Order: sequence, then C-alpha cells, then structure tokens
Amino acid sequence: GAVVSQHPSRVICKSGTSVKIECRSLDFQATTMFWYRQFPKKSLMLMATSNEGSKATYEQGVEKDKFLINHASLTLSTLTVTSAHPEDSSFYICSARPPPGTSGYLTDTQYFGPGTRLTVL
Amino acid sequence: ELKVEQNPLFLSMQEGKNYTIYCNYSTTSDRLYWYRQDPGKSLESLFVLLSNGAVKQEGRLMASLDTKARLSTLHITAAVHDLSATYFCAVDRTSDTDKLIFGTGTRLQVFP
Repeated sequence: GAVVSQHPSRVICKSGTSVKIECRSLDFQATTMFWYRQFPKKSLMLMATSNEGSKATYEQGVEKDKFLINHASLTLSTLTVTSAHPEDSSFYICSARPPPGTSGYLTDTQYFGPGTRLTVL
Repeated sequence: ELKVEQNPLFLSMQEGKNYTIYCNYSTTSDRLYWYRQDPGKSLESLFVLLSNGAVKQEGRLMASLDTKARLSTLHITAAVHDLSATYFCAVDRTSDTDKLIFGTGTRLQVFP
C-alpha cells in the first residue's frame, strides 16, 4: 500500500487563486519531508525541505512567499501555491524518508507521494 | 554545484535485447538511487547503492556504482515491454544528506 499520500491528485484553478496540497506520511513519522516539482518530460527539481516544527528551507530560486510550506505535525506537510499563475502549472511531488530504525522500511530511501497535477488557467 | 547527467536521454529498444543506462555525477556523494516513473505517475524506488562497487539486481534490472569514476549504470537484460518507463538516477547532495539531485532521466521504450 501507499506509504506517502497526496491530496488532491489533480487540481484546476483560476489564475490568482491559492491552492493547498497536502502530503501525508502514512506509516511513519517524518520530521523532514521534501517538495519537488516536475515539468512535462523533465526531471524533478527540489523546491524545499519541510521541517516539522520549524521553517522550511527553500532551494535557490524558489520564492518562499509564493510557495508556503507548513509542517504542522510529524505526518503532514502542506504546500500552498499562492496567487497561482499559469507558469505554476506543474506536477508537484512530495517525499519522506523513514527515520533510522523504522521497521519494515528502507531507511536509506525516500518514499514519494503519488503527485499532484496542478493546472492554472 | 552537483550535476547529475544520464545518457541516453531516450532509448528505444527491441524486446529481448540488452542495454545500459549511464548516470554520471560531478562531485562526491554517499548514496545513489535509481527510480522508475510511469507516465503521469510518481516515482517507484528501484535501487539504493551505498558504497563503491555495490551491485544490486532485481529481475531484469541490475544497478552498479563506481564512486571513484562517479558513475552508476542500470543494465537491462532481455528487455520486455513492461519495462517501458522513464528511469531516473538521483544523488544525495554532498553537504545536505537527503536532498536529492535528480538526473535528466532516460525514457525507455521497448517494442516487440
């Protein structure tokens, strides 16, 4: 079964609106989760590291005021795309890595969510 | 800046044939990963390679790592249509464990 879930799987919104994407770690507590974006037929680009109980760490070139990340619990991180524009349309994927000692999981591996396809009209 | 390059970017191969995908990275890294992505889907973990000389096999896929050459290979043996997908390698950024830098991806198409 799924280890990491995302909701929604697909969202279409109007330009200027905000969209929230949820990422849940279903089987283990994740103090750190990661957000990636992927353009069609391109590779994944790390956007930010979501840290439970503290501020997210953004990669160079990623606007923190545009992509708000909140990691309110050990199993949930949210990404809010504020004032979305058509160029924000992309596939957003989150991931989580099991803490050391987590039974039944490869603790050296990041588990990826199913992704959220955002289309901004 | 860590860069990860794959080649080929696109591979069309006949069922039953063998081929190798290459993944080069520019600076020292502790771990290398291989993932598979089907169209419109997320990533499925294939292999985690943790040390120089590591070799792992699963079915028709075999991955190896040469940290001295900064090179990993994903070898496909007797390809079947079900292997058609995009394959990514990813490397941990040197100074930031867990932050993955992904390769460009190799789109594999296996035809009868």
